[in-house]
Amino acid sequence: AQKITQTQPGMFVQEKEAVTLDCTYDTSDPSYGLFWYKQPSSGEMIFLIYQGSYDQQNATEGRYSLNFQKARKSANLVISASQLGDSAMYFCAMSAAGAGSYQLTFGKGTKLSVIP
Amino acid sequence: NAGVTQTPKFRVLKTGQSMTLLCAQDMNHEYMYWYRQDPGMGLRLIHYSVGEGTTAKGEVPDGYNVSRLKKQNFLLGLESAAPSQTSVYFCASSRIGTGRTDTQYFGPGTRLTVL
Repeated sequence: AQKITQTQPGMFVQEKEAVTLDCTYDTSDPSYGLFWYKQPSSGEMIFLIYQGSYDQQNATEGRYSLNFQKARKSANLVISASQLGDSAMYFCAMSAAGAGSYQLTFGKGTKLSVIP
Repeated sequence: NAGVTQTPKFRVLKTGQSMTLLCAQDMNHEYMYWYRQDPGMGLRLIHYSVGEGTTAKGEVPDGYNVSRLKKQNFLLGLESAAPSQTSVYFCASSRIGTGRTDTQYFGPGTRLTVL
């Protein structure tokens, strides 16, 4: 079974500063994918970034980067130059090849608040 | 190109009533999913479908039924609603199941309250 742990229920960051949101995962599958989604107060789930377990380099998408440390089973999201619009819930999720690979397992989320 | 749409956006039911939530996608995706989101928790998978005419149980399937009669539509039914089913329901779709190019894309959600 897969498990995602997000240990930070809430985080504050000053506008224009960088922030790291933590995510650790647990799986016995050698092939898996890690995702981050953003959920603003309006409620929709917005895909941000993906990292495959065999990817050699850390994923980047604009101001988002994923600090992937495979041996430590961590997949932290780094947001650079925070903006007020980054205030939202952030969910880490994992999919794994093998039985039940069509589903994402989500963490409980981290609420990020950007302070002007 | 609307992506993933859900109908209705809000609904209030009384205990024991039934209803159907409709999800539609126009991206020609093979896989579709229904999740529920409760306060303080991430999303949990209810049922999913790997293609037209197929359905399978997820993590929390009890009390729900689904049907995928057309590739673009995925219906979630509550036969006898219970207060424990008060939640926000999300539909998602993807091309296959895993990998970067098979990212799941979500609908806007349906907020359901069962009194």
